[in-house]
Amino acid sequence: AQTVTQSQPEMSVQEAETVTLSCTYDTSESDYYLFWYKQPPSRQMILVIRQEAYKQQNATENRFSVNFQKAAKSFSLKISDSQLGDAAMYFCALDSGAGSYQLTFGKGTKLSVIP
Amino acid sequence: DAGVIQSPRHEVTEMGQEVTLRCKPISGHNSLFWYRQTMMRGLELLIYFNNNVPIDDSGMPEDRFSAKMPNASFSTLKIQPSEPRDSAVYFCASSFLSGTGNVGYTFGSGTRLTVV
Repeated sequence: AQTVTQSQPEMSVQEAETVTLSCTYDTSESDYYLFWYKQPPSRQMILVIRQEAYKQQNATENRFSVNFQKAAKSFSLKISDSQLGDAAMYFCALDSGAGSYQLTFGKGTKLSVIP
Repeated sequence: DAGVIQSPRHEVTEMGQEVTLRCKPISGHNSLFWYRQTMMRGLELLIYFNNNVPIDDSGMPEDRFSAKMPNASFSTLKIQPSEPRDSAVYFCASSFLSGTGNVGYTFGSGTRLTVV
């Protein structure tokens, strides 16, 4: 069974600074997908970024980028130039492939942005 | 595109009552997922439909829970009878899944269910 672990329940960052959220996972598949979702106080789950395991290049989306270390099964999210609107719960998720399309989520990291 | 639409946004019911949660996926999406979110257990997959057919319902906690997808634009999750431990936020999500891999889900805003 696949597992996703987010070891930082809470983090904080100063506005305009950079913060990195950690995620480790376990799967026996070699081809899979990883995601970061954001959940602001509005409760809406928003897709932030996606990474395909067979691609060595790290995914980027504007101020959001990932550090994907396949051998270490690590998938961290870096937020640059943090903004007040980045304050939210962030969830790491794994689709372990094999045609399952089912996402397994970590327990989340609550990010606070300090003005 | 109106996104994934869930109703109601909030539901408060008494123990033993039937509860029905509703979801309208994004037009053109072929897969629909129901998740439950609690503080203790996080986000758990309850059931997953592909082309309106239930593919995996192993996450449905017990027989009190049932889900249907009568057509591509509508799904329901029903709890009968409801119990206080069912209190949670229930999310519906949809996606277009093809042989090219998982592009991620689009979630609805969720239904916060409180059973008293």
